[in-house]
Amino acid sequence: QKEVEQNSGPLSVPEGAIASLNCTYSDRGSQSFFWYRQYSGKSPELIMSIYSNGDKEDGRFTAQLNKASQYVSLLIRDSQPSDSATYLCAAQLSGSARQLTFGSGTQLTVLP
Amino acid sequence: GAGVSQSPRYKVAKRGQDVALRCDPISGHVSLFWYQQALGQGPEFLTYFQNEAQLDKSGLPSDRFFAERPEGSVSTLKIQRTQQEDSAVYLCASSLLTGNTEAFFGQGTRLTVV
Repeated sequence: QKEVEQNSGPLSVPEGAIASLNCTYSDRGSQSFFWYRQYSGKSPELIMSIYSNGDKEDGRFTAQLNKASQYVSLLIRDSQPSDSATYLCAAQLSGSARQLTFGSGTQLTVLP
Repeated sequence: GAGVSQSPRYKVAKRGQDVALRCDPISGHVSLFWYQQALGQGPEFLTYFQNEAQLDKSGLPSDRFFAERPEGSVSTLKIQRTQQEDSAVYLCASSLLTGNTEAFFGQGTRLTVV
């Protein structure tokens, strides 16, 4: 079992819809979680961080964390074609120095 | 600087050649990380520096890989006797030491070993 798992997709949603991206992690002691967006041929760009249970909203993005279920999600409201990218979930595992462990990413396509 | 800067952006090396990849982190960021990203995969951790100290090098795939950060700012990742399986994008990230641990990535160096 990978330490951080994501549905590899690809995921397609129509423009204006809500895109839901999911991630599970195996280390119950993990405390910090991040979502990065990566356009093709570009480097990962941090879009959300979440450290406590519940929801965290930033514009059209909402991150959700459920530590009991070891589950992190990212919702993108009013999806735009410019949101089409690979979304990487990352966790700072307990016992690690400070590095991140990434999932393999979910490719999202927003159809105009 | 405004962001993490990496050079070169692209590097083609002949098998067996040594390469050096450079990372200039965000000013004031004490933590510096190197990751390797294969096509279609998430980044994989290589090594971590806190200032000039290399605190974790558990992700380095072999003793051909060596990283340093002698003055606690710029870092160099060196790969000796490159092999085809070393072909990947090498990403550098930096973050503050205290408070949140948000890490910001550079543009990466795409290494192709032929």
